[in-house]
Amino acid sequence: EAQVTQNPRYLITVTGKKLTVTCSQNMNHEYMSWYRQDPGLGLRQIYYSMNVEVTDKGDVPEGYKVSRKEKRNFPLILESPSPNQTSLYFCASSSKPLRRRQYFGPGTRLTVL
Amino acid sequence: AQSVTQPDIHITVSEGASLELRCNYSYGATPYLFWYVQSPGQGLQLLLKYFSGDTLVQGIKGFEAEFKRSQSSFNLRKPSVHWSDAAEYFCAVGADTDKLIFGTGTRLQVFP
Repeated sequence: EAQVTQNPRYLITVTGKKLTVTCSQNMNHEYMSWYRQDPGLGLRQIYYSMNVEVTDKGDVPEGYKVSRKEKRNFPLILESPSPNQTSLYFCASSSKPLRRRQYFGPGTRLTVL
Repeated sequence: AQSVTQPDIHITVSEGASLELRCNYSYGATPYLFWYVQSPGQGLQLLLKYFSGDTLVQGIKGFEAEFKRSQSSFNLRKPSVHWSDAAEYFCAVGADTDKLIFGTGTRLQVFP
């Protein structure tokens, strides 16, 4: 079954404690992306990757890092989380960035205290 | 810069009634246009997309959308809403850059 998986699904942490949210896809997609969803703001892109070792900033990259060492994985790293990073995070992948559908993961709800 | 506006934050309809969700975009050329649906606690699912050709596109779950270049709009419609359609709907616009811009979403509530 084609899918994008994210872990963990829920996470409560404290300010400054480094965390990683994993994202994995089994469709051999080149393109992967991270979004955050906040009430009234819709989805905003954090980072995206066109292929292995190729990443670029989206609209709201501050406070986040990503890596793309393997095609299937695209982890999101928060080196020093802050309360304003409390949000719902989605990972997505597609074979082409725009002309095909993006497949979304189930989301990770992060709370930073 | 490209942008997308969904002017309705919240819409309530009765089951069986028709539905239209509005989406307006800003972009100089013909954009790629998408509608996604997010059910409670779920990720986003693609309803339909427009790239070129016929301006009326059909999607899943009985939804359709019409691209109107003169109005810079891509409104989503359904002739008869079911209770299971209650969800949040996002319009998205893509252009020459490698990213999608999402609207702020419209939450649909369906009354029996």
